[in-house]
Amino acid sequence: QLQLQESGPGLVKPSETLSLTCTVSGGYISSSSYYWGWIRQPPGKGLEWIGSIYYRGNTYYNPSLKSRVTIFVDTSKNQFSLNLSSVTAADTAVYYCARRSEMRVGYSIDSWGQGTLVIVAS
Amino acid sequence: QTAVTQEPSLTVSPGGTVTLTCASSTGAVTSGYYPNWFQQKPGQAPRALIYSTDHKHSWTPARFSGSLLGGKAALTLSGVQPEDEAEYYCLLYSGGAQLGVFGGGTKLTVL
Repeated sequence: QLQLQESGPGLVKPSETLSLTCTVSGGYISSSSYYWGWIRQPPGKGLEWIGSIYYRGNTYYNPSLKSRVTIFVDTSKNQFSLNLSSVTAADTAVYYCARRSEMRVGYSIDSWGQGTLVIVAS
Repeated sequence: QTAVTQEPSLTVSPGGTVTLTCASSTGAVTSGYYPNWFQQKPGQAPRALIYSTDHKHSWTPARFSGSLLGGKAALTLSGVQPEDEAEYYCLLYSGGAQLGVFGGGTKLTVL
């Protein structure tokens, strides 16, 4: 069974870079049917799509975050990662990694990590 | 950037039927937006319910159904159960189905 697990610091200082890694187990990140992505949720608020990556490195980012976001993949470790630069308190959120599957019709974000809370504070 | 709008909150009685909707600021929602619906309960990660407008996952209860209704994506719950009380989010794709935008979520209360 596929599992996704986020890891990284739970506290980041303002203006620094937030870095998280998602480890995929029970499946291969190098599959043509999947994109791998990040979604976040500020405390008490809704979901925000951050971006996604294909195992070959193709990336797609939320336009509102594009200038600060980098997502990259390490197929040898079956991991993908998120860097978010110049963070502020507004970036405090639970960060989820997730898998988007290409279905017979369309697409579904059908597997999610448990989420990790990142607080931006000095 | 596209804005996606959902009802902030809805209340339904057990056994009743309720429809949640998902609208796009750019116009009518079509199947080309590949509407997805997710359920999230407190302290849990979201769970996929519906993809591509009306397709269910193997784990999606039969009482959940998706559709297009009046230019919006819609999620209908028929025969609502107490355990359906949760936050529901829609997701629309654009940019060749590569860019996703979530709605603000609907808090469904079963009362």
